Amino acid sequence: AQKVTQAQTEISVVEKEDVTLDCVYETRDTTYYLFWYKQPPSGELVFLIRRNSFDEQNEISGRYSWNFQKSTSSFNFTITASQVVDSAVYFCALSDLDGGKLIFGQGTELSVKP
Amino acid sequence: DTAVSQTPKYLVTQMGNDKSIKCEQNLGHDTMYWYKQDSKKFLKIMFSYNNKELIINETVPNRFSPKSPDKAHLNLHINSLELGDSAVYFCASSQDPSQGDEQYFGPGTRLTVT
Repeated sequence: AQKVTQAQTEISVVEKEDVTLDCVYETRDTTYYLFWYKQPPSGELVFLIRRNSFDEQNEISGRYSWNFQKSTSSFNFTITASQVVDSAVYFCALSDLDGGKLIFGQGTELSVKP
Repeated sequence: DTAVSQTPKYLVTQMGNDKSIKCEQNLGHDTMYWYKQDSKKFLKIMFSYNNKELIINETVPNRFSPKSPDKAHLNLHINSLELGDSAVYFCASSQDPSQGDEQYFGPGTRLTVT
């Protein structure tokens, strides 16, 4: 069965701290896709990144970086020099290519305090 | 220029009523989805349609009936509303789920059943 686990329910940091959000997944598929979405307090779901199972290169986009490790089935997300505007719930998700549904983790609520 | 739109944004109704939520996407995508986010923020797929054809029906009660008049629209009709139906419902779309294409979400509809 496919599953995504985000063990950190809530994280609180002070502005400018670095923070890493953990994501562990389970799948029997050899080809799969992983995603991160952000849900700010306003409620919408914002797409952040998509990574396929054959590409283990780390990715950096501004203050955001992602570390994908197939050996540990993890796809962790790091925010460098966090800002108050980063406060949101962050979801990791796995795509079921048979139908395309996203299997979401439980979400991690990040609170960045000034 | 909204990509995925939903109406209404808020819906408050009484138990036993029938209600509909509309969704439209202007991205030209072939596949559309409905997800339910419960009070603990957990997101779960309900349905997906590809070019007006039902692909996924994820053990949703028969009271929920999706309707896709064309590939740009996927509406959700709910009969005999129950208290447990209170949630945020998100519509989403993607181009090719078999390629793990990212899904773009609408702003959500917060349904409250009293």
